[in-house]
Amino acid sequence: QSVLTQPPSVSGAPGQRVTISCTGSSSNIGAGYYVHWYQQLPGTAPKLLIYANNNRPSGVPDRFSGSKSGTSASLAITGLQAEDEADYYCQSYDSSLSGVVFGGGTKLTVL
Amino acid sequence: QVQLQESGPGLVQPSQTLSLTCTVSGGSVSSGYYYWSWIRQHPDKGLEWIGYIYNSGSTYYNPSLKSRVTISVDTSEKQLSLKLRSVTAADTAVYYCARGTLQREPTYFDNWGQGTLVTVSS
Repeated sequence: QSVLTQPPSVSGAPGQRVTISCTGSSSNIGAGYYVHWYQQLPGTAPKLLIYANNNRPSGVPDRFSGSKSGTSASLAITGLQAEDEADYYCQSYDSSLSGVVFGGGTKLTVL
Repeated sequence: QVQLQESGPGLVQPSQTLSLTCTVSGGSVSSGYYYWSWIRQHPDKGLEWIGYIYNSGSTYYNPSLKSRVTISVDTSEKQLSLKLRSVTAADTAVYYCARGTLQREPTYFDNWGQGTLVTVSS
């Protein structure tokens, strides 16, 4: 069971907007620690998608955005494309564990 | 551009020690701005943080693995190593090394190795 909770799956049609939630607690997201998001395509290593809650690394389309409020965070993808079909993971830091924590991952299906 | 490459045996016998190396090219492993981590992914499962090292010696481990894990770094060889003792089939996974950015706390991983599959079986 992951420290950060994500829905196992979400889906959307091309062009639509989807959101993926990431729920934590007072020792991680709620403590003010950053939330980061990764995209993992099948058979590949995770790739940084959003860092420090709402920042995009160079090369990541602005269709991807992140937000954070209280003990939760969200990843939004607008203008859904077939190539966005992948697994998405949130990550933060947990002070009670003194370590990095991940969400269980969300599989995005583009219908 | 920093590149990370994991290497090590793909098959380990139960009760033995899993040993992996991550070779870093294009950057330094002794920079105080970064930390170095091992992360694993069980087949068709999510990501699990194993542990990390920074300042060439300070280590933190996942409490669930702490009694079996050692992470170290060889700055001269620019290599990160992982040792996981007394392995069982539950340790079968793809193992990744990754570079993280160190701020007030360990933050995001901006560079990952390609991962290496380790199977624990006799």
